[in-house]
Amino acid sequence: EDKVVQSPLSLVVHEGDTVTLNCSYEVTNFRSLLWYKQEKKAPTFLFMLTSSGIEKKSGRLSSILDKKELSSILNITATQTGDSAIYLCAVDNLSNTGKLIFGQGTTLQVKP
Amino acid sequence: DTAVSQTPKYLVTQMGNDKSIKCEQNLGHDTMYWYKQDSKKFLKIMFSYNNKELIINETVPNRFSPKSPDKAHLNLHINSLELGDSAVYFCASSRGMNTGELFFGEGSRLTVL
Repeated sequence: EDKVVQSPLSLVVHEGDTVTLNCSYEVTNFRSLLWYKQEKKAPTFLFMLTSSGIEKKSGRLSSILDKKELSSILNITATQTGDSAIYLCAVDNLSNTGKLIFGQGTTLQVKP
Repeated sequence: DTAVSQTPKYLVTQMGNDKSIKCEQNLGHDTMYWYKQDSKKFLKIMFSYNNKELIINETVPNRFSPKSPDKAHLNLHINSLELGDSAVYFCASSRGMNTGELFFGEGSRLTVL
């Protein structure tokens, strides 16, 4: 069965710290890996990764995919309290149905 | 304008009742979904529709019946509610079935007492 596992499940840091969130996957077919941020309500899209080794960056957030290791990391530098959220990783397994398989999320709390 | 909107945001009801959640997207997307997020925050797909046609029914009980009157709307009706149905239900849409990025609504928190 296809699955996505994230670690750690939760993390508490102080403002200014750098964090690395991990996502590993086991899928029969792979199209892409996506990261979402969920604050109080709707998950919002961060990145979509399809190729190994190419870093995607948006401000203080960056992410990279390693297809050999079947994993991805999401880095957040100089964390701020507004980064506190659940970070969700999901994989598109080429089902051609639009279905994404989500991990259980990493809950990040950034303290002032 | 909210891109994907769902109503109601909160539902509290008794076991055995029937309830509906409505969803509308104004993004012009072809594909819409219902996802369920349990207390452990796992987001799991329930249904996907493409241009009003059912694509996935992910082993969801028959008590759950989605309806898509047009490609901008996907409603969810739940019969004979059970305690285990308590969760947050998210509607989402995407440009197509192979585009990856989903746009989520704000969720409908269902509590069954």
